[in-house]
Amino acid sequence: ELKVEQNPLFLSMQEGKNYTIYCNYSTTSDRLYWYRQDPGKSLESLFVLLSNGAVKQEGRLMASLDTKARLSTLHITAAVHDLSATYFCAVRAQGGSEKLVFGKGMKLTVNP
Amino acid sequence: KAGVTQTPRYLIKTRGQQVTLSCSPISGHRSVSWYQQTPGQGLQFLFEYFSETQRNKGNFPGRFSGRQFSNSRSEMNVSTLELGDSALYLCASSLVAAGLGEQYFGPGTRLTVT
Repeated sequence: ELKVEQNPLFLSMQEGKNYTIYCNYSTTSDRLYWYRQDPGKSLESLFVLLSNGAVKQEGRLMASLDTKARLSTLHITAAVHDLSATYFCAVRAQGGSEKLVFGKGMKLTVNP
Repeated sequence: KAGVTQTPRYLIKTRGQQVTLSCSPISGHRSVSWYQQTPGQGLQFLFEYFSETQRNKGNFPGRFSGRQFSNSRSEMNVSTLELGDSALYLCASSLVAAGLGEQYFGPGTRLTVT
């Protein structure tokens, strides 16, 4: 059964700082998604990573995928308050059921 | 292009009652997936419908059921409500099967069971 783990689950950081968050998964996968959720809101798609070595960047966020290590990272550069949200990764197991399995989410708070 | 819509947005029910939630996908999308989100369990997959057929089902009791209509709109039903069913129920639509394409989430229905 596919398991997805995110760490850390909570992160408080200062504006201007950099940080990397991690998403590990337990079985072979061929696609990984990152979503953002603001309090009381729905999920917003950030990135779709489809192959080993894929890297995508949007603003201060950069996501990468290492399928051999079963690891994705989401790197935050020079954090700003607007990035405060909960970030989820979701993985589809390759060759199996096509449903997505979500991590528990990482709640990020960026302090001025 | 209109996004995914869910109705109602908020619902309060009592134990033992049943509830029906509705989801209208983005026009042209054929897949609708349902998720339950709670603080303790996070986001858990309920089921996915594609072209009126259930493609996948999560590990939820039979009290949770769903269906999809020919216009791709989907409904989710929960019978004999329990306190633990209080959650945010999210639906997501995608052009192709959920695991193959990008999913777009609706605003959710907040269900409170008292």
